[in-house]
Amino acid sequence: DVKVTQSSRYLVKRTGEKVFLECVQDMDHENMFWYRQDPGLGLRLIYFSYDVKMKEKGDIPEGYSVSREKKERFSLILESASTNQTSMYLCASSLKREKLFFGSGTQLSVL
Amino acid sequence: SQQGEEDPQALSIQEGENATMNCSYKTSINNLQWYRQNSGRGLVHLILIRSNEREKHSGRLRVTLDTSKKSSSLLITASRAADTASYFCATFTSGGSYIPTFGRGTSLIVHP
Repeated sequence: DVKVTQSSRYLVKRTGEKVFLECVQDMDHENMFWYRQDPGLGLRLIYFSYDVKMKEKGDIPEGYSVSREKKERFSLILESASTNQTSMYLCASSLKREKLFFGSGTQLSVL
Repeated sequence: SQQGEEDPQALSIQEGENATMNCSYKTSINNLQWYRQNSGRGLVHLILIRSNEREKHSGRLRVTLDTSKKSSSLLITASRAADTASYFCATFTSGGSYIPTFGRGTSLIVHP
């Protein structure tokens, strides 16, 4: 079975810190996604990557950047964390338009 | 942007009853998928139905797709307390990108 691993389940950071969220998948999927999930707002796409070094902005890219230097790894970077970035962050991977495999999520709190 | 919208937003039933959730979408799709999310965890894929399919089964799950009405339903039969979770539909548009659009989910509570 495909495994998508997110580096941390819970993370607490200070306002202004640079934050790295790491995601690794083990099934050679081209597509990788970063979502954030807030109560009542569902899943919102931050960034999407369809190949190494290739990325597309999602619905809410402001305040975030991403890096995909290797096919299996997709990193989400909060350049200067703010309290409104407190959220659950979900990484996923897929082949073309087939099912997405999600990681367990990272609950980030920015104080 | 969100294409799929689930209905109802919340559903509360007793163990043994059936649970039905609906998903409506706006544009032509390549496929529609249903996911489940336990509280505080990632989403887990349940079932994928393609635009040329009308019904699909997987264990106690039954999914229907009506492309003329742009809607899908997920039926969980003989529900169990362990089915308590949020359920999301996601759509891939026809000829479009590889980015799915998720609805906001239905929160299902099954009382023992």
